[in-house]
Order: sequence, then C-alpha cells, then structure tokens
Amino acid sequence: NAGVTQTPKFQVLKTGQSMTLQCAQDMNHEYMSWYRQDPGMGLRLIHYSVGAGITDQGEVPNGYNVSRSTTEDFPLRLLSAAPSQTSVYFCASRRQGGNNQPQHFGDGTRLSIL
Amino acid sequence: AQSVTQPDIHITVSEGASLELRCNYSYGATPYLFWYVQSPGQGLQLLLKYFSGDTLVQGIKGFEAEFKRSQSSFNLRKPSVHWSDAAEYFCAVGTGGGADGLTFGKGTHLIIQP
Repeated sequence: NAGVTQTPKFQVLKTGQSMTLQCAQDMNHEYMSWYRQDPGMGLRLIHYSVGAGITDQGEVPNGYNVSRSTTEDFPLRLLSAAPSQTSVYFCASRRQGGNNQPQHFGDGTRLSIL
Repeated sequence: AQSVTQPDIHITVSEGASLELRCNYSYGATPYLFWYVQSPGQGLQLLLKYFSGDTLVQGIKGFEAEFKRSQSSFNLRKPSVHWSDAAEYFCAVGTGGGADGLTFGKGTHLIIQP
C-alpha cells in the first residue's frame, strides 16, 4: 500500500550540480505531476504527464526536465541547479478522467541549493 | 486562467472554538474545488472536494465547506477545532478535464491556542 513514493526525502546540492528526483506510484495511475512549494506561494505545477511517453509543461517548467518511460515512474531532472530551485517538491498521481479523480501526493523532497 | 485567493496567511483559534478559512476563486466555468491539509513535514491530504450538486460538502476530520457561486467562494468550516488541526490549509481549483493540474492558493497557517 505504498501509494506515491518520492526519493530522496532531503538533498543538498551545490549550484551547477545536476540531480534527479524520483517519483514512483503503484496504483497504475495514468496522470502524474510535479509541483514545487515555496513559502507564501502555495504549490505551483512544474510538469505533468497524462501517460507513458507524454509530458507537458506546467506553470513553472524552466530549469526542469521530465520523462515518462513507464506508467509507474515520473522522474524530475535538474540539469544545472540554481539557488532559486531551493524548494519542497511534491509528486502527485491520479487516474485519468479529470479532476474528479482523487489525487494522491507523495511526502515531498526537500531540496536546498547552495 | 484560474486563480485562488486565501486572504488569511495566519489564523489563530482557541481549542474548541469554531473555525472558518476563506477561499475565493476565479474561473470562467464551473470549477472543481478542493481543500487540502498539510501537517509539518508531510504531504497533502485531501479534506473535501466539490464538483457539482449540493453546495455544502462534508469532508474528513469533521470539516465542511460551502460553495457559493455568487461570491466565488469555497470557505472551509469546522464547528470545534482540536489541537491536532494545527496545520497548513490549501484551497485549490481545477478544470474538469484536469490535464493542467490544480491551481493552489498560498495557504493559511492555522494555529491552535490551548
């Protein structure tokens, strides 16, 4: 009964380093998404995917790449980390069919860029 | 594009007192509305949602919310708060199709006084 699993839970990077945040779900959900949460900003959508092989940009996609090779996994890549990317990152998944489907969130990855 | 406003950044309530958290949205069509709660260091948990029908919706943990189209509001209420209700609360709006995720408010931090 794992749900949405994010790894790592915490990470500190230096400016310019690259990193991949992992997200896996075991509910066979077609729709997956990444959000970032900043103090006083709520959650903002970075990228989303409606199924394997299909991704699209959200509100704040710059500096991030995603791919969706399997239904289960939706990794988020930072190619060259910047201090502005210090944030808490949440992955979410739900079944296809729109927002009437319950959305499941992971516990988050807390990322600091020095 | 849709937007969500949570006017109160912080709210302090005495334990046992009633609670109302405000949420105003902007969206051209009938919105899908949600309230999420986030405990410190945790992910988001869905409290309740509104899609259509009865404008007063019941959620988990004794929470309810009322959709008022004329006021573009979806306020969250609880008749008697408990210390365990201290958390961050987010209102969110989404389209029916949902491909582009949810738009979140900036959150309201609830503090419970003994």
